[in-house]
Amino acid sequence: KQEVTQIPAALSVPEGENLVLNCSFTDSAIYNLQWFRQDPGKGLTSLLLIQSSQREQTSGRLNASLDKSSGRSTLYIAASQPGDSATYLCAAYNYGQNFVFGPGTRLSVLP
Amino acid sequence: GAVVSQHPSRVICKSGTSVKIECRSLDFQATTMFWYRQFPKQSLMLMATSNEGSKATYEQGVEKDKFLINHASLTLSTLTVTSAHPEDSSFYICSATTGAISGNTIYFGEGSWLTVV
Repeated sequence: KQEVTQIPAALSVPEGENLVLNCSFTDSAIYNLQWFRQDPGKGLTSLLLIQSSQREQTSGRLNASLDKSSGRSTLYIAASQPGDSATYLCAAYNYGQNFVFGPGTRLSVLP
Repeated sequence: GAVVSQHPSRVICKSGTSVKIECRSLDFQATTMFWYRQFPKQSLMLMATSNEGSKATYEQGVEKDKFLINHASLTLSTLTVTSAHPEDSSFYICSATTGAISGNTIYFGEGSWLTVV
């Protein structure tokens, strides 16, 4: 059974810093992995989707990497801004199953 | 791109009443839809998987008589919380997929915040 963990649980950084969020999964036979952003009281926003055959995906200041063999994915945020403050969730998808979400990392970017 | 619409985004209902949440795939046929719920400060947890035209498959611990899921068409699935109680207050989100053959892309709705008072 797939299990997804995220480290750290919470992170507070000053504006402008580059930061890395970590996601680990126990079953490396994933089909894809997705990173989401969740703002307080709001829904999910899909940030990046990495297929199992890919090593990384980039969108603006965000870069997500995937290492299936080690069961890890990282989300890199460059030049963080206060508007990046949110909870970031990763979710692993195994073929024929469903998304398993991590508990999230609560990010606060201080102005 | 494909869009999944969820409605309502927020709903407040009285204890003991029922509330329905809709999940629509706007520009594709969703053979499978998933329903998740999220308790405060916890991760999203799968409640049930529904395939068009068949009964939903519920995860262990989810009361199927309380959380009625209907997937009557390829573009619409509904989740009805029956006889809602304050402990049912949560964030509910659906996702839809066109199926594994077409690349297994799964799209998420915006989610619905349910508050039972």
